[in-house]
Amino acid sequence: RKEVEQDPGPFNVPEGATVAFNCTYSNSASQSFFWYRQDCRKEPKLLMSVYSSGNEDGRFTAQLNRASQYISLLIRDSKLSDSATYLCVAHNAGNMLTFGGGTRLMVKP
Amino acid sequence: GAVVSQHPSRVICKSGTSVKIECRSLDFQATTMFWYRQFPKQSLMLMATSNEGSKATYEQGVEKDKFLINHASLTLSTLTVTSAHPEDSSFYICSASGPAVYSNQPQHFGDGTRLSIL
Repeated sequence: RKEVEQDPGPFNVPEGATVAFNCTYSNSASQSFFWYRQDCRKEPKLLMSVYSSGNEDGRFTAQLNRASQYISLLIRDSKLSDSATYLCVAHNAGNMLTFGGGTRLMVKP
Repeated sequence: GAVVSQHPSRVICKSGTSVKIECRSLDFQATTMFWYRQFPKQSLMLMATSNEGSKATYEQGVEKDKFLINHASLTLSTLTVTSAHPEDSSFYICSASGPAVYSNQPQHFGDGTRLSIL
């Protein structure tokens, strides 16, 4: 079993739609979590941190459920520019990051 | 701040060639640097972790004699793919962390190097 698991997608949604991604993790000792965005042939870029209390940044909302070892990302009012791969990432001791396989999002006009 | 520069961004070379990739932290001291590899439609896989002045720690399945890592200073780490073959073609990404970086993320990524071996 992978330490961080994601549905690979792709999620094909129309502009303006709301889409949600889920992620599960197996290492209960993971210190914190992040969502990264990766465009094709580019490096991953930090999208947002994930807190148990929830974290909202504009159209993006991230949530962590430690009891269920489950992380979510909600994107409202999808834009064409949101098309990318979204990586769920666990932060472990020693500043180590473990990446999920990524979920691909395609927003269509 | 917290900028990591990776060079070159693109390499195309013949089989058997050795290729060196540089990773520099431009505005902070990187006590630890990480090297990842990403194959098409797959996620980033950690290859090795290097601490300044120490030998790199390689992940299981990564050949240390094939992928030579040097981290001689707090701002520079290099990855050399020795005698590269077509199966080594991949996207290689470095990242850096250190005590002076912003706390909002534990690692800062370079732009990546796309390596194609013919």
